[in-house]
Amino acid sequence: EADIYQTPRYLVIGTGKKITLECSQTMGHDKMYWYQQDPGMELHLIHYSYGVNSTEKGDLSSESTVSRIRTEHFPLTLESARPSHTSQYLCASSPPGQGSLRGYTFGSGTRLTVV
Amino acid sequence: KQEVTQIPAALSVPEGENLVLNCSFTDSAIYNLQWFRQDPGKGLTSLLLIQSSQREQTSGRLNASLDKSSGRSTLYIAASQPGDSATYLCALIPSGGYNKLIFGAGTRLAVHP
Repeated sequence: EADIYQTPRYLVIGTGKKITLECSQTMGHDKMYWYQQDPGMELHLIHYSYGVNSTEKGDLSSESTVSRIRTEHFPLTLESARPSHTSQYLCASSPPGQGSLRGYTFGSGTRLTVV
Repeated sequence: KQEVTQIPAALSVPEGENLVLNCSFTDSAIYNLQWFRQDPGKGLTSLLLIQSSQREQTSGRLNASLDKSSGRSTLYIAASQPGDSATYLCALIPSGGYNKLIFGAGTRLAVHP
């Protein structure tokens, strides 16, 4: 079954470490997104991509970076993790077309804790 | 700027009740509206998607309606069950929004036996 996968599911890491959160989808979607969600709070878009070699910053400023070298893969990297980066990171994708008929599909998320 | 508001913020009901969750938005120019469910610490599960030209969608015990002119959507849950306990999120794609979903803060639902 086509789906969207995020790894790791949970991550506890020390301050200053470099980390990469993985996101892959098998649906052939051209658009992919990263959202950040603090506990009990709204989701905020931090990065998005409309296709290979296309990346844009979202509405919420983030110190993370992303890349889109392959259609199915959209990793997020933090060069030097800080406690303020502690949050849940959710990856999503949507198929071609504006306001697509099938909407968004979300991954299960990565819960990051920086100590 | 498009804003999405969900009322109530939290709801606790006994099993079996019929529920209405509300979502309002400030700009009626939207492509579609999507209702999601989020369990604690988990990702989002899509429940219903309503295109801008549609008035409602149904899936099992769930029914979602859309009234663009008044900037409102409602999610109706019939015969609620403890397994329905979760946070319900309303999100929309504005016209010209380049497919970027805008979320409400959600309604936290607890259904007790």
